[in-house]
Amino acid sequence: DVKVTQSSRYLVKRTGEKVFLECVQDMDHENMFWYRQDPGLGLRLIYFSYDVKMKEKGDIPEGYSVSREKKERFSLILESASTNQTSMYLCASRSGDSPLHFGNGTRLTVT
Amino acid sequence: QKEVEQNSGPLSVPEGAIASLNCTYSDRGSQSFFWYRQYSGKSPELIMSIYSNGDKEDGRFTAQLNKASQYVSLLIRDSQPSDSATYLCAVEAGDSSYKLIFGSGTRLLVRP
Repeated sequence: DVKVTQSSRYLVKRTGEKVFLECVQDMDHENMFWYRQDPGLGLRLIYFSYDVKMKEKGDIPEGYSVSREKKERFSLILESASTNQTSMYLCASRSGDSPLHFGNGTRLTVT
Repeated sequence: QKEVEQNSGPLSVPEGAIASLNCTYSDRGSQSFFWYRQYSGKSPELIMSIYSNGDKEDGRFTAQLNKASQYVSLLIRDSQPSDSATYLCAVEAGDSSYKLIFGSGTRLLVRP
């Protein structure tokens, strides 16, 4: 069974802090994704990666960056956290056209 | 902008009834389609995947796909209160990027 693990379930950070959200998958999936989910706006793609060191912008990349140094790990970085980045962040992975498998999510609050 | 549209609901059905959830999409190149269920405060979990036109059944769930009409649906038979959740339709982008585009979800309420 695919397991996608996000390092934190809840995070509280201050405005201007640099924030790292970590995600690890154990199924050797090539593709990894970061989404954020907000009430009324659904799931929106921030960044995705289809291989080590490769990344592509999603629909809302502003204020975020990512890192994929190893195949199993995909990190989302908030360079300078702002209150409008308070959200639920979901990491996911997939191989080819298989379904997307989600982690448990990180609920980030920026104060 | 490629879009996936769902009625936000809530869709309210009595226990034991059939719940019908619908989704339309704009990208004619899409080939893979998924339904996810999401309980409040939890991450989405896969219910069904469908790749070719027609119906696909799995237990109480049936997914239906019509690529010509750009329409995908999910039927839940013998609905149970535990089925009360938000159902997300996801469509793979047709640009071979492996991205999934999600609808905003339909909230289903099953009344005991």
